[in-house]
Amino acid sequence: DIVMTQTPDSLAVSLGERATINCKSSQSVLYNSNNKNYLAWYQQKPGQAPNLLIYWASTRESGVPDRFSGSGSGTDFTLTISSLQAEDVAVYYCQQYYSSPYTFGQGTRLEIK
Amino acid sequence: EVQLLESGGGLVQPGGSLRLSCAASGFSFSSYAMNWVRQAPGKGLEWVSGISGSGVSTYYADSVKGRFTISRDNSKNTLYVQMKSLRAEDTAVYYCAKVSRYGECMDVWGKGTTVTVSS
Repeated sequence: DIVMTQTPDSLAVSLGERATINCKSSQSVLYNSNNKNYLAWYQQKPGQAPNLLIYWASTRESGVPDRFSGSGSGTDFTLTISSLQAEDVAVYYCQQYYSSPYTFGQGTRLEIK
Repeated sequence: EVQLLESGGGLVQPGGSLRLSCAASGFSFSSYAMNWVRQAPGKGLEWVSGISGSGVSTYYADSVKGRFTISRDNSKNTLYVQMKSLRAEDTAVYYCAKVSRYGECMDVWGKGTTVTVSS
């Protein structure tokens, strides 16, 4: 199984500042035949279901604000929120969908400083 | 509007069985694979099981293999998971989720149904 490890476990950032969350996979999730990384990011607000933010490691889902961006390739990935808003308080998860079982990272809790 | 609505959760004794359902609407259900994902109280997300659009291919996490069976009825736009030999560690909110066009990431989620395994 591919193990997904996120850092940090929790993060406090001031409003308007940048937030960065890292995700590392135990093996590459880059599919060479199409040069795509099978890595997604989700946001889960308290009491709600998860919401897809990013797929293919760097493509924003429709309707997701452009302050959210994803980067990385192979085994190392980053989710960046360029200017933190109050509504961004949530737990963020990365997920690999390269191979079954489609494992998630343990989550990163993002709070306002 | 694309919607998923889970049902069937509840309190069950260890060793018992339960069947969860997920009613889909607003999209061509048979065209998309579907997943079940669970979240134990205060914990992270765990992918549980997946099924192809036709229902021919199914996939399971090791933690539920042999105990859970995923299925779908495309004529009823409904996804199921039959759970047996339930354990305390199966206690969780169970979400059904639609697989996106971009691979096995999930672009639509239901609100979840709670399963509690306790005596």
